[in-house]
Amino acid sequence: NAGVMQNPRHLVRRRGQEARLRCSPMKGHSHVYWYRQLPEEGLKFMVYLQKENIIDESGMPKERFSAEFPKEGPSILRIQQVVRGDSAAYFCASSPYRPAYEQYFGPGTRLTVT
Amino acid sequence: GESVGLHLPTLSVQEGDNSIINCAYSNSASDYFIWYKQESGKGPQFIIDIRSNMDKRQGQRVTVLLNKTVKNLSLQIAATQPGDSAVYFCAEGGGTGGGNKLTFGTGTQLKVEL
Repeated sequence: NAGVMQNPRHLVRRRGQEARLRCSPMKGHSHVYWYRQLPEEGLKFMVYLQKENIIDESGMPKERFSAEFPKEGPSILRIQQVVRGDSAAYFCASSPYRPAYEQYFGPGTRLTVT
Repeated sequence: GESVGLHLPTLSVQEGDNSIINCAYSNSASDYFIWYKQESGKGPQFIIDIRSNMDKRQGQRVTVLLNKTVKNLSLQIAATQPGDSAVYFCAEGGGTGGGNKLTFGTGTQLKVEL
């Protein structure tokens, strides 16, 4: 049973470009969470999605960031017009049910903005 | 605002000794607490959890203690091994306003010396 998968593992973008991060939850999981981790810091919640619905986006920056979890395919975290401050590790977690305390994390995507 | 924090950023122990990692939390309404282990370049790995109606829970070589009086969560690792070297995060979930997201502390680096 494959775990949570994320790709790419490493992503380099120049300032102003777009970054698209993908997350495939564990089989049978319909709840997806995105977190951001800055160097030597804990993970910060960004957004919680179920299939085709955004449930909680209280941790998402108001501009440039968006997330989706379509009926088919992986969840996508999209960052438009990236800036250097967006450089971080972005982790996706999934859960089979709600409330989703037992969350299983993927290996993360490390975004570097040059 | 509410926060989850750790007392010590780095803990060094001798191989074979017991390790104790503490975490202070401030949201007394949280009803679920989790410890995660994160190795370099990897996503957080679930270790053990505890609900707020419990004081202690044991796993394989690990024990989590919850002291609601002083709002402290601790992780005890018995007979620490080199493979235990990692950053350990506490996280809390649920409760008033907690919803589905996990709130993470900043992490403690555990170093096991041979």
